[in-house]
Amino acid sequence: AQSVTQLGSHVSVSEGALVLLRCNYSSSVPPYLFWYVQYPNQGLQLLLKYTSAATLVKGINGFEAEFKKSETSFHLTKPSAHMSDAAEYFCAVTNTGGFKTIFGAGTRLFVKA
Amino acid sequence: EAQVTQNPRYLITVTGKKLTVTCSQNMNHEYMSWYRQDPGLGLRQIYYSMNVEVTDKGDVPEGYKVSRKEKRNFPLILESPSPNQTSLYFCASSFGQTGNEKLFFGSGTQLSVL
Repeated sequence: AQSVTQLGSHVSVSEGALVLLRCNYSSSVPPYLFWYVQYPNQGLQLLLKYTSAATLVKGINGFEAEFKKSETSFHLTKPSAHMSDAAEYFCAVTNTGGFKTIFGAGTRLFVKA
Repeated sequence: EAQVTQNPRYLITVTGKKLTVTCSQNMNHEYMSWYRQDPGLGLRQIYYSMNVEVTDKGDVPEGYKVSRKEKRNFPLILESPSPNQTSLYFCASSFGQTGNEKLFFGSGTQLSVL
């Protein structure tokens, strides 16, 4: 069965610092991978997704993620954090066939002024 | 505007009193799904539907029912709610069935069962 592990339930960075949110997946075949963001009192919205066209995926708001098959990782990064990035971030994987999306436990990002 | 609409936004009820949370999408999506979000557990899938009259269990289906009589609607039914169903619920939809389509989420329903 597929699973997703997000390392760190909380991450705190200073404004302008690098953001790194970690995600590892377990899958017997290359999966579809996603990062979603949830702002307070809102539903989730797609940040980016891996489609196998390129290992480095660029998303909205300056975020990007790199797919590393050898490490079964899909870590999310942003070079310079902004106060508006404070939110909860979820890594997700969908199985082939597409009917089951598994979410990680989430990482809450805090940005300090 | 393309959206997934859930109602109600907040709901407080008592143990055993049947309730329905509605979900509607205006994007002609085939796939719809219900999730519950609990602290430290992320989102867990309750039920999903591939199309009208086609539904299947997710990871945590116990105590819930769904139906898909129309393409746009996918209500979540709690026949006899219990306190352990207190949670934040999200409905989501997407275009297809390859797995590569993004999910569109509703704004959520915060349910408290006393």
